[in-house]
Amino acid sequence: GIQVEQSPPDLILQEGANSTLRCNFSDSVNNLQWFHQNPWGQLINLFYIPSGTKQNGRLSATTVATERYSLLYISSSQTTDSGVYFCAVGQGGTYKYIFGTGTRLKVLA
Amino acid sequence: GAGVSQSPSNKVTEKGKDVELRCDPISGHTALYWYRQSLGQGLEFLIYFQGNSAPDKSGLPSDRFSAERTGGSVSTLTIQRTQQEDSAVYLCASKAGVSTDTQYFGPGTRLTVL
Repeated sequence: GIQVEQSPPDLILQEGANSTLRCNFSDSVNNLQWFHQNPWGQLINLFYIPSGTKQNGRLSATTVATERYSLLYISSSQTTDSGVYFCAVGQGGTYKYIFGTGTRLKVLA
Repeated sequence: GAGVSQSPSNKVTEKGKDVELRCDPISGHTALYWYRQSLGQGLEFLIYFQGNSAPDKSGLPSDRFSAERTGGSVSTLTIQRTQQEDSAVYLCASKAGVSTDTQYFGPGTRLTVL
């Protein structure tokens, strides 16, 4: 089956710094989403981005489907950005998503 | 309106006992997922319900796991004869329909099997 790898596995930032999180996948996908899981375990959908670029405030994401990767950019990081960021991919119009193992981000005040 | 709710929030059980986990999706959402998240891991798909269609059970790890969704709303995940490896957080998510992509997650049920 399709493999989803995220890097880096762990990241520590000072508040105000920028960062780039990467998601590589091993096969063609039709769906790709980024999620944030806060330190209390709540998961929030950030972007649905099977291709192209989207921006939402300080966050933006780019997926280059032909090269099988997606990037999540966090600018001017805040302590509330701490948590785990997951990317999840789906194939062939399926509703079934395969999740990566995540990037654990800690933003220090 | 209310988000996705799950109960109980925590469940501690003894090996061999049966457990039931409940998910109340957002009202009107026709699609519902169950996932399992083991410590420090990503989410593992378990089962998907869409409207009145037959559920996709392909992610259930063994026949000890089953799930149902009554009246197209509340869902119950049942684990029979629990094992220690079943310990995990069980997450439920709902979305408005098959053609939408945003999943709304509940807070999860943390299951500990002693």
